[in-house]
Amino acid sequence: GAVVSQHPSRVICKSGTSVKIECRSLDFQATTMFWYRQFPKQSLMLMATSNEGSKATYEQGVEKDKFLINHASLTLSTLTVTSAHPEDSSFYICSARYGGHYEQYFGPGTRLTVT
Amino acid sequence: TQLLEQSPQFLSIQEGENLTVYCNSSSVFSSLQWYRQEPGEGPVLLVTVVTGGEVKKLKRLTFQFGDARKDSSLHITAAQPGDTGLYLCAGGSIGAGGTSYGKLTFGQGTILTVHP
Repeated sequence: GAVVSQHPSRVICKSGTSVKIECRSLDFQATTMFWYRQFPKQSLMLMATSNEGSKATYEQGVEKDKFLINHASLTLSTLTVTSAHPEDSSFYICSARYGGHYEQYFGPGTRLTVT
Repeated sequence: TQLLEQSPQFLSIQEGENLTVYCNSSSVFSSLQWYRQEPGEGPVLLVTVVTGGEVKKLKRLTFQFGDARKDSSLHITAAQPGDTGLYLCAGGSIGAGGTSYGKLTFGQGTILTVHP
């Protein structure tokens, strides 16, 4: 149980375009979903926290107009990278938790490359 | 701001050796999770500890939560090449107003390489 999927797993886009990444909890209803960014051989950096039906809470330094997060249902959250630039190239990972549980369950990640 | 100091950052050992990874903080956490991540994949949850002094074992892996819930350790006995990966500790915090919104503070990670 507690499976989280992400789509796409890899995406290459041109500078200036927008890219949408989907995160789904497959076998549970996610009270909260999280979006992280990870650079090679480094730990995870939290970008934002989202609860179903409410606005996402962004971490300091993360541009909310550039990284649009929508948490439309208890099983789906999306991250849209708008007007992507090469410096946005990274590994983006989502996670989900439910109820009063401590654990977060992670998706497999999305490798974004902006050319 | 809660910080979690994880050490060592890199560990390169031979198959059969033992190792310990540490996570330390000046903050109290409601829980402590350990994850393992392989390149190009998402972290996979290994264990959650919530009680001060708690010890959990998962085959050759032993996890301990400090009495004051500020630190934790992961000990691997007789490491195998299959243990190679990035190990992450993450502390759970309690949200404002006493509600637990589940935000995790991650350590810097430990890259473990076990040579055959």
